[in-house]
Amino acid sequence: NAGVTQTPKFRVLKTGQSMTLLCAQDMNHEYMYWYRQDPGMGLRLIHYSVGEGTTAKGEVPDGYNVSRLKKQNFLLGLESAAPSQTSVYFCASSSGYYNEQFFGPGTRLTVL
Amino acid sequence: AQSVTQPDIHITVSEGASLELRCNYSYGATPYLFWYVQSPGQGLQLLLKYFSGDTLVQGIKGFEAEFKRSQSSFNLRKPSVHWSDAAEYFCAVGGSQGNLIFGKGTKLSVKP
Repeated sequence: NAGVTQTPKFRVLKTGQSMTLLCAQDMNHEYMYWYRQDPGMGLRLIHYSVGEGTTAKGEVPDGYNVSRLKKQNFLLGLESAAPSQTSVYFCASSSGYYNEQFFGPGTRLTVL
Repeated sequence: AQSVTQPDIHITVSEGASLELRCNYSYGATPYLFWYVQSPGQGLQLLLKYFSGDTLVQGIKGFEAEFKRSQSSFNLRKPSVHWSDAAEYFCAVGGSQGNLIFGKGTKLSVKP
């Protein structure tokens, strides 16, 4: 039982490049979330999903897209990376509204 | 809109001393409240949560928190801090989308 895993752990991009972050959970959770963490800002919600095939925007969705084609996976895409997207990205999953969210170890992304 | 304020950015306590981390929230109805801990380079782990009922909730690792509606507060406490408690602590309130709205965090340092 791995919980929530994130791939990759680290990545460096140049401005304008694209990439996809993968989140996988093996707890059969319906809800999945993508957050970004910036120094002094706490965690802010980017996008979330309440089930397979559904996605919705969070607090800071601009510049990101997501997909939830399989229940266990939640992908976060950056189509044209910008330095402002340099951050640590966390994926989380939960079994329902306001239930405990289980977090992955994070992906540290640097955009030059 | 819901929001969470953690007034203390950084707190240093001596090992064995008591600890109180402050959290104030803004929410119209009865809030769902959480405390998470993040060790360096790690994801977040749930310490405790409050949904309803007894306003004093017990969590893992010897932590407890008290919900005070009149003060819009949910402060985290521990009677005796251990060096392993050094980490960053986040208070969160449940948002309208089932997500978590985090405070900016309080970094705890423990002096030997």
